[in-house]
Amino acid sequence: EVQLVESGGGLVQPGRSLRLSCAASGFTFDDYAMHWVRQAPGKGLEWVSGISWNSGSIGYADSVKGRFTISRDNAKNSLYLQMNSLRAEDTALYYCAKEKRNFDWSLILGYWGQGTLVTVSS
Amino acid sequence: DIQMTQSPSSLSASVGDRVTITCQASQDISNYLNWYQQKPGKAPKLLIYDASNLETGVPSRFSGSGSGTDFTFTISSLQPEDIATYYCQQYDNLPRDTFGQGTKLEIK
Repeated sequence: EVQLVESGGGLVQPGRSLRLSCAASGFTFDDYAMHWVRQAPGKGLEWVSGISWNSGSIGYADSVKGRFTISRDNAKNSLYLQMNSLRAEDTALYYCAKEKRNFDWSLILGYWGQGTLVTVSS
Repeated sequence: DIQMTQSPSSLSASVGDRVTITCQASQDISNYLNWYQQKPGKAPKLLIYDASNLETGVPSRFSGSGSGTDFTFTISSLQPEDIATYYCQQYDNLPRDTFGQGTKLEIK
């Protein structure tokens, strides 16, 4: 059974940093591209960042480019999101999501974790 | 960037009704369109991919159609457990993507 478990969220002051993690199990992690998608309270979905199975391709939403860094450790079956210079508008539930197809980056998000909440406030 | 216009933003229907949600892309995206369901307090769930392919395990009352710029998501007979917010999502313009604004579906 595919499982994606996010952690690392919390309350942080504007301008500070936070690192999110996503622990994956139930599939061959290093065969799949992975993504972070966020949802501000009461709002819709926003793709944040994605990374290919071998870290060869990485992408970011314009809203986080230059502030957030995605990475993965295939040996640890883990995905990360380093978030720097956090702003109030980054407040959201952050989901880790897995591509449906292996060796593909189509943003067909077949599995999602339950999310970790990031609150940016002074 | 490609913009997705999803409508309606909210919808109230009765059990057994046929429900239709539309999504329009600002430019041709071929069939690179997915539909997700998000129930309250839960993570989104993939229902339809590549515009018309039903994800494994998803009931057959859900369907999708369209190509190019105009897409439709249909529930053939609304069930109480279908109460959720539905999102379209294009994946033609990589690495970016665009989710529609969402359609909140309620039971009348």
